[in-house]
Amino acid sequence: LAKTTQPISMDSYEGQEVNITCSHNNIATNDYITWYQQFPSQGPRFIIQGYKTKVTNEVASLFIPADRKSSTLSLPRVSLSDTAVYYCLVEYGNDMRFGAGTRLTVKP
Amino acid sequence: DAGVTQSPTHLIKTRGQQVTLRCSPKSGHDTVSWYQQALGQGPQFIFQYYEEEERQRGNFPDRFSGHQFPNYSSELNVNALWLGDSALYLCASSFFSGWTSGQETQYFGPGTRLLVL
Repeated sequence: LAKTTQPISMDSYEGQEVNITCSHNNIATNDYITWYQQFPSQGPRFIIQGYKTKVTNEVASLFIPADRKSSTLSLPRVSLSDTAVYYCLVEYGNDMRFGAGTRLTVKP
Repeated sequence: DAGVTQSPTHLIKTRGQQVTLRCSPKSGHDTVSWYQQALGQGPQFIFQYYEEEERQRGNFPDRFSGHQFPNYSSELNVNALWLGDSALYLCASSFFSGWTSGQETQYFGPGTRLLVL
């Protein structure tokens, strides 16, 4: 059964780098991995999307190993406003599956 | 450039009733997906519409149906509401870039909070 798995929660401090890993064992050849950020009572906000190796934009990096069975979202120098739930999304054939989300708490 | 919009923002219904939720996609997008997000959980994929037809469907019963209009906006209908249908219903839009081009980036609306009593 295709499944997208993430840690339930993580704590960090302002200014630190945070890495959140998602496992997606049954990812298909053409499927991308997408990460979203969600604040309470809001829709998920797109962070980054990738297919293989490394992708970087102005807010995050995404690392995907050669076997593509996992991916790691890297947030450089987090601030208090980065406290949110982070989701990875993978499409398995005709079914798009979000992970259960990782609740990141950034402390001062 | 307006993003994805949804209406209404909140809704209260009773068991057995029917509900219709609406979504307008981001400008330039032609594909609309609907998700159900229960409290404290990740979004669950309901279905996706493209060219006014249901293209993909998740594991949801037939009580959940949808429609896409020529202007790409979409409706989600839920019949015979259960208490368990209480959730945040999210609409996401994307641009279909071809059958072999990989996953399309989805942009989400703020959601409609449905409470079934």
